[in-house]
Amino acid sequence: SFELTQPPSVSVSPGQTARIACSGDALPKQFAYWYQQKSGQAPVLVSYEDSKRPSGIPERFSGSSSGTKATLTISGAQVDDEADYYCYSTDNTDNHVVFGGGTKLTVL
Amino acid sequence: EVQLVQSGAEVKKPGDSLKISCEGSGYSFSSYWIAWVRQMPGKGLEWMGMFYPPDSNIRYSPSFQGQVTISADKSINTAYLQWSSLKASDTGMYFCARYRGGVGGYYYFDYWGQGTQLTVSS
Repeated sequence: SFELTQPPSVSVSPGQTARIACSGDALPKQFAYWYQQKSGQAPVLVSYEDSKRPSGIPERFSGSSSGTKATLTISGAQVDDEADYYCYSTDNTDNHVVFGGGTKLTVL
Repeated sequence: EVQLVQSGAEVKKPGDSLKISCEGSGYSFSSYWIAWVRQMPGKGLEWMGMFYPPDSNIRYSPSFQGQVTISADKSINTAYLQWSSLKASDTGMYFCARYRGGVGGYYYFDYWGQGTQLTVSS
């Protein structure tokens, strides 16, 4: 099996750039995906296949991946971006479906 | 518009049985895996298992194998998650999600239901 490790929390001021990291030994061979979960709501996909952005997601959200680390970058973070963010990955045999532990983003 | 609509919140006692549902609309339900994800109070997301309607293939996370049963009724575009004997530790939020394939055969969750809150308490 494999694991994905995220920092428990990240804090930025409004307008600053927030970077949320996700580390995993399998990431050089597998895509990373990112989900945003606001309090009391269902998760929402904000980045997929390392760096693609779903329709309807603001351009300030961008994903990247290099080696064993994937990063979700929020450029010009807004108060409305406060949420928990989860990275996710899987091998293409679907034998391993793994979420990171989540990172709480505070914007204040 | 793709939608996954889940059944409402449940309050049960230890030992009770339960089946919760997830109805898909706005897409071909029979063409995609449908998965279940647990979120315990204040904790992260845990994949439980998934169902593939075209051939009724079911995969369970090793952590949930034998603890729950996943099924679906293609005729009404609905997936189910079932417990035969609930425990207090089953308390949490349960999400269904569509699981789709992308580049290179890698799969991911693209649409989610609103969640079903389960409380198990004596």
